[in-house]
Amino acid sequence: EAGVAQSPRYKIIEKRQSVAFWCNPISGHATLYWYQQILGQGPKLLIQFQNNGVVDDSQLPKDRFSAERLKGVDSTLKIQPAKLEDSAVYLCASSLDIGRDRQQFFGPGTRLTVL
Amino acid sequence: AQRVTQPEKLLSVFKGAPVELKCNYSYSGSPELFWYVQYSRQRLQLLLRHISRESIKGFTADLNKGETSFHLKKPFAQEEDSAMYYCALRPGPAQKLVFGQGTRLTINP
Repeated sequence: EAGVAQSPRYKIIEKRQSVAFWCNPISGHATLYWYQQILGQGPKLLIQFQNNGVVDDSQLPKDRFSAERLKGVDSTLKIQPAKLEDSAVYLCASSLDIGRDRQQFFGPGTRLTVL
Repeated sequence: AQRVTQPEKLLSVFKGAPVELKCNYSYSGSPELFWYVQYSRQRLQLLLRHISRESIKGFTADLNKGETSFHLKKPFAQEEDSAMYYCALRPGPAQKLVFGQGTRLTINP
């Protein structure tokens, strides 16, 4: 089966610019996650969707970050305006919504550099 | 709040030597514990989970609730084990993963 797809793979922008990332989860996976991974740290959940509803966005900096999953499939994560500290790898993951398994499958990530 | 601590950022051992990557967690309930691995230029992927009690690629991990630890072990390291390893905690099935900072394991020939 095809894995989680993300684009772009790399993005370099200047501070105060805007940027958007796209994620296509594994077909049939109802739950979608966006993580931020700063260099030298583990991934940190930004937002979790179940279908097109938000389950957890407690760690999303809502003054500058937004995310949507309009049709319950693809998702976009936007940063506007970007700050230097937003430089990180942004990971998308998806999982089935069945039972206790809910194994998360990760995409390749988008590496964002803010200058 | 849940927290996962991996005390070693870097760990280097020789091929054939035993390996132990440490993971400690803080959580008052009964969480699910996982080890994820990221090989060079590959995606983050699940290595094993405590509920499965399985051995994957020769690795095992035992959940010690008394010490709140979930150390990853392998008796004989191989060069292909070189990777970043992340310990993660999930309070419940529908809840988020909380990751440790990761340990970079290098196996020397």
